[in-house]
Amino acid sequence: AQSVTQLGSHVSVSEGALVLLRCNYSSSVPPYLFWYVQYPNQGLQLLLKYTTGATLVKGINGFEAEFKKSETSFHLTKPSAHMSDAAEYFCAVRNTGNQFYFGTGTSLTVIP
Amino acid sequence: NAGVTQTPKFRVLKTGQSMTLLCAQDMNHEYMYWYRQDPGMGLRLIHYSVGEGTTAKGEVPDGYNVSRLKKQNFLLGLESAAPSQTSVYFCASSFLGGVGSDTQYFGPGTRLTVL
Repeated sequence: AQSVTQLGSHVSVSEGALVLLRCNYSSSVPPYLFWYVQYPNQGLQLLLKYTTGATLVKGINGFEAEFKKSETSFHLTKPSAHMSDAAEYFCAVRNTGNQFYFGTGTSLTVIP
Repeated sequence: NAGVTQTPKFRVLKTGQSMTLLCAQDMNHEYMYWYRQDPGMGLRLIHYSVGEGTTAKGEVPDGYNVSRLKKQNFLLGLESAAPSQTSVYFCASSFLGGVGSDTQYFGPGTRLTVL
């Protein structure tokens, strides 16, 4: 069975500070992992994904995430937060049947 | 390409009324999904389809029905709406296999309120 846990439903950072959003997963098979971003009143957009290969993946808008199998984690980071990063972020895992399981989301606030 | 579109964007129903949400995609995707999004619960899969004429239950299918008569359309029906079905509904689609098959494309959502 697959599941995703996002630690911290709300995260606040100052503009220019490091962004760290945590995601841990459970999967009975090698996971495909995703981070999506949702801006207010919009659908979800793919930020980045890990399927196979390099464990450090880079996405759009300066975000990156590292797949750590030993820790079953896929944390999302960005070195310097921008006001436009304020949004809801979702971690997701995909099973072999192309079903996706989403975490409960982390709301990121950027303080000027 | 319009991508994934959803109709309507907003709807208010009374308890017991029925309605159908329409999802359309112009990317020739085989897979289509319906999710509901509730505060603090993330996205939960209602039903999905792996191709025209096929549907399957997801995590929270009760109270909903779906149909995929055409590859580009995926309909979500509520036969007798209940207040517990007040939510934001998202449709998504993806390829079956090959490059890009692991990426879902989402519609803008439908905000449904059941009084």
